[in-house]
Amino acid sequence: DTGVSQDPRHKITKRGQNVTFRCDPISEHNRLYWYRQTLGQGPEFLTYFQNEAQLEKSRLLSDRFSAERPKGSFSTLEIQRTEQGDSAMYLCASSLESGRGSYEQYFGPGTRLTVT
Amino acid sequence: LAKTTQPISMDSYEGQEVNITCSHNNIATNDYITWYQQFPSQGPRFIIQGYKTKVTNEVASLFIPADRKSSTLSLPRVSLSDTAVYYCLVGANNAGNMLTFGGGTRLMVKP
Repeated sequence: DTGVSQDPRHKITKRGQNVTFRCDPISEHNRLYWYRQTLGQGPEFLTYFQNEAQLEKSRLLSDRFSAERPKGSFSTLEIQRTEQGDSAMYLCASSLESGRGSYEQYFGPGTRLTVT
Repeated sequence: LAKTTQPISMDSYEGQEVNITCSHNNIATNDYITWYQQFPSQGPRFIIQGYKTKVTNEVASLFIPADRKSSTLSLPRVSLSDTAVYYCLVGANNAGNMLTFGGGTRLMVKP
């Protein structure tokens, strides 16, 4: 399968613990995005990378959140000192930016985080 | 970013054509209209994108009137597997092409 993959698919953690999620984008895609989705709502943008550079961060991304994309390949999203409000589906998407501009992004299956 | 308004939910039957209309009265000149589909426990999937008039692909058609203040996603002959949430997005070709999702339309296809 050559789509976007995310690991783990599900994570249950206790409040105050740190968690890390991984996203493997489609190999030739230079852009990688992170979104968060809560039940009944559409996904909300968190941050994105062009190659290894993190170019934009939403104000939703508090200082407890950090994302990396070393070498412009896979990405990790870490949440420190988790809170119950962090419970959500964390979605990763990738795209190939060719300069023309497109809103076609390829999403992974998501990581569902439950903070107890 | 232009705000979008679409019905919260719709019901249909197998074999029917479904039209989901999205209002975007404040659409800007540079904005594109994009639709995504999302099944439960999956990430959204790109369906179609357009700027004006009509766009058709193997999955759907997108109708955009001349004033571009609304758009209609048309799904021909739906099946049970088309039951999903459909999101209408409007935005310009910004530096990051970040997607701004609204609440979407929950389509239920019945046998």
